[in-house]
Parts: sequence; structure tokens; C-alpha cells
Amino acid sequence: EAQVTQNPRYLITVTGKKLTVTCSQNMNHEYMSWYRQDPGLGLRQIYYSMNVEVTDKGDVPEGYKVSRKEKRNFPLILESPSPNQTSLYFCASSFTRELSDTQYFGPGTRLTVL
Amino acid sequence: DAKTTQPTSMDCAEGRAANLPCNHSTISGNEYVYWYRQIHSQGPQYIIHGLKNNETNEMASLIITEDRKSSTLILPHATLRDTAVYYCIVRVAITQGGSEKLVFGKGTKLTVNP
Repeated sequence: EAQVTQNPRYLITVTGKKLTVTCSQNMNHEYMSWYRQDPGLGLRQIYYSMNVEVTDKGDVPEGYKVSRKEKRNFPLILESPSPNQTSLYFCASSFTRELSDTQYFGPGTRLTVL
Repeated sequence: DAKTTQPTSMDCAEGRAANLPCNHSTISGNEYVYWYRQIHSQGPQYIIHGLKNNETNEMASLIITEDRKSSTLILPHATLRDTAVYYCIVRVAITQGGSEKLVFGKGTKLTVNP
């Protein structure tokens, strides 16, 4: 089944403890991105990647890192999480970044930083 | 900022057609209109997209006005499982060095009633 998977789905952690949220897609998509969703602010893009070893900042990249060593995986890294990074995170992928290509979203990761 | 305007909420009777309007008066000629929905904090789910012509798939129909300044998503026979927030999105045109992303607005909360 074609899908985008994220792990973990739920995570509660403490300030400063490094964490990684994994994202994997099995559709051979070139383009992947991370969004965060907060009440009243909607979904905002954090980082995106147009292909292996090609990443760039989105609208709200501060406090996050990403890597794209393989086409299928696009992990989101929080080196020193803070409470303002408590949010619902979504990974998305599409075949390319063309305007006609559909983005498919993962199920989400709900992160709480205490 | 989102380039679309949608009603905050709508109600629909089960089995009836749900017509969700969207205004996108500043849309550019090469920008697509996308519709996604999000069911209770799950990952956004792609519904349909279009450029100029009306589109139909197994989930819905998309009617785009001739001037492309507005569109309507039609769920022909709404069910209780269609209760969700529906997002009308204008796919931001690719600019040199710019980020390709979906800019989600606040969406329309559709409630399908028994």
C-alpha cells in the first residue's frame, strides 16, 4: 500500500532532550516536507527536500534539522526541544515539486515538550 | 498567507450533496486549486485538484468558474464520515529559490448530520 509513515505517533519529552521523528514513504517520491500544525495558525512548513541530499528551509525552520540521505526517508531532528515546539507534526511527499503533483501526508506525530 | 477564503463552517444532511465554496480572486494563471480535508487531527487527505476545467473523481467534483476566481467542491452524497475540515488551497507558484508548499488557510468545518 502506498503510504507515508511517521514514528513515533505520540511523544512526550522534556526540554533539551534530543529527539528524532522519522518519516518514510514507499512511493519513490522525490519531494518531501515537514509541517507543523498549531491551533489558530494552521499548517506551516518547516523544511522541505527536493531530492536526496537537497534540503531547504520552509517558513518556520528554527530549532529543527533535517536530513535526506535516502530517497524514502526524511527525519526531523530536534536537537534541543523547547516547549514552544509542542505541536502536531506532519510529513508529506509528492513525486516532484510540480504544481500538478499531489502531496500525500503521513498520519501525524503529536509532540509534547515539558 | 493563504490565498483563499472559505466559510468557517457548514452543515449538511446525510445523503445530500455538500457544496463547499472557495474564493481565490488573486490566483495566477499557472496555479492549481487543491482541496484537502482533515478528519480530527489526522493527516490531511487529498481530495481533488484542478487548473481550469471542472474535475471529477471517486470522491468529489470540483467546479471552477471561468474567471478562476472561485471554485466549489461538491460531495455528491455526504456521509457522516465526511465530517471534517475542508481546505481549499491555491498551490503557490514555484519561484526561483522559493519553497514549494501547500499554504493551508483555516478551512471550512463541514458537519454532516444524520
